[in-house]
Amino acid sequence: SQKIEQNSEALNIQEGKTATLTCNYTNYSPAYLQWYRQDPGRGPVFLLLIRENEKEKRKERLKVTFDTTLKQSLFHITASQPADSATYLCALTRSGAGSYQLTFGKGTKLSVIP
Amino acid sequence: DTAVSQTPKYLVTQMGNDKSIKCEQNLGHDTMYWYKQDSKKFLKIMFSYNNKELIINETVPNRFSPKSPDKAHLNLHINSLELGDSAVYFCASSQAGGPYEQYFGPGTRLTVT
Repeated sequence: SQKIEQNSEALNIQEGKTATLTCNYTNYSPAYLQWYRQDPGRGPVFLLLIRENEKEKRKERLKVTFDTTLKQSLFHITASQPADSATYLCALTRSGAGSYQLTFGKGTKLSVIP
Repeated sequence: DTAVSQTPKYLVTQMGNDKSIKCEQNLGHDTMYWYKQDSKKFLKIMFSYNNKELIINETVPNRFSPKSPDKAHLNLHINSLELGDSAVYFCASSQAGGPYEQYFGPGTRLTVT
């Protein structure tokens, strides 16, 4: 069966360092991968989308890579700040019958320590 | 203006009751979704719906049914509520025809006692 794993449930890092979150998948060949941020008591918020033919995507302090050979995506936050503390979710996109559904990983809770 | 809104924010009810959660989006999107986030924070798709078709996740009990009065609304009806239905339910919307980003509502925390 299809499986999506995010490397750790929780990650603590020091302010100013680069946070690296991992998303691995098996039995799946997604054409697209998305990353979302979720704060406590709120809905997920879209951050970045990367296509299978893109190796890397950047947005401000965020960078996502997508390696379809390793079946892995890495999500980096450079110069991390306490405000970056949240749960980060990766989501694979599968299509069928004209609809694009997201399958989410369980998320990694990031805590940036001042 | 809120892009995707849900009501109510909290819903406490007893087993066996029937309840509805409302969702509205003002983004002009053609596709709407319902997700369930359980106590372990795992977010799982329940339905996706546009004006052409409804796609149901095969694990969703038929006690759950989406109803769309128009393109901007997708309500979730739940019959004969069970303890295991307790979770946070999120509505989302996106443009149709591609793997576009989804916009989520604030969630409805359902507690079945």
